[in-house]
Amino acid sequence: GENVEQHPSTLSVQEGDSAVIKCTYSDSASNYFPWYKQELGKRPQLIIDIRSNVGEKKDQRIAVTLNKTAKHFSLHITETQPEDSAVYFCAAPGTASKLTFGTGTRLQVTL
Amino acid sequence: DAGITQSPRHKVTETGTPVTLRCHQTENHRYMYWYRQDPGHGLRLIHYSYGVKDTDKGEVSDGYSVSRSKTEDFLLTLESATSSQTSVYFCAISLSGGKDGELFFGEGSRLTVL
Repeated sequence: GENVEQHPSTLSVQEGDSAVIKCTYSDSASNYFPWYKQELGKRPQLIIDIRSNVGEKKDQRIAVTLNKTAKHFSLHITETQPEDSAVYFCAAPGTASKLTFGTGTRLQVTL
Repeated sequence: DAGITQSPRHKVTETGTPVTLRCHQTENHRYMYWYRQDPGHGLRLIHYSYGVKDTDKGEVSDGYSVSRSKTEDFLLTLESATSSQTSVYFCAISLSGGKDGELFFGEGSRLTVL
């Protein structure tokens, strides 16, 4: 099955700085790479995703980049704000009808 | 907003007792999933379903069983709960009908096994 590794496990940045979270995957058949954000005590929610025919996708202050050759993808958050503080999860599907998640990154944005 | 309800939201039980968690959806989605969330492990798939009476195992299925007798309900059963099954359980539905689309999660069920 798919194996997804996520780094770092914790990340602290100052408000206004950028944050980058990286994930690697093992199954070359994976073709869909979502990112989920989970605020404290809440459910995970999709914030952005990318498919394998695209190298980069942006949505306002967040972007995702994909390198299929190296089997890694990254989440970029620019101009971070306190409300960006949360746990972020990457995921990849492999060949089966199921998503395998990374272990999560706790992002803290300090004032 | 996709309609998905988990019950119970909180439960405390004792080791060795059976527990059933229910996930109910209102929009006829085919794929449903049960994940557990633990510190340091992220979200790990327990079981999933791709239709009525069609289920398959995830990466941490030992000690769990599932049933889906109706499209709208996906039940997760712990036949004999153990302390290692203390966790937050999330049900999810695939909005796109498969692996390469958005998962919408329920609000979670916090289970404590004493």
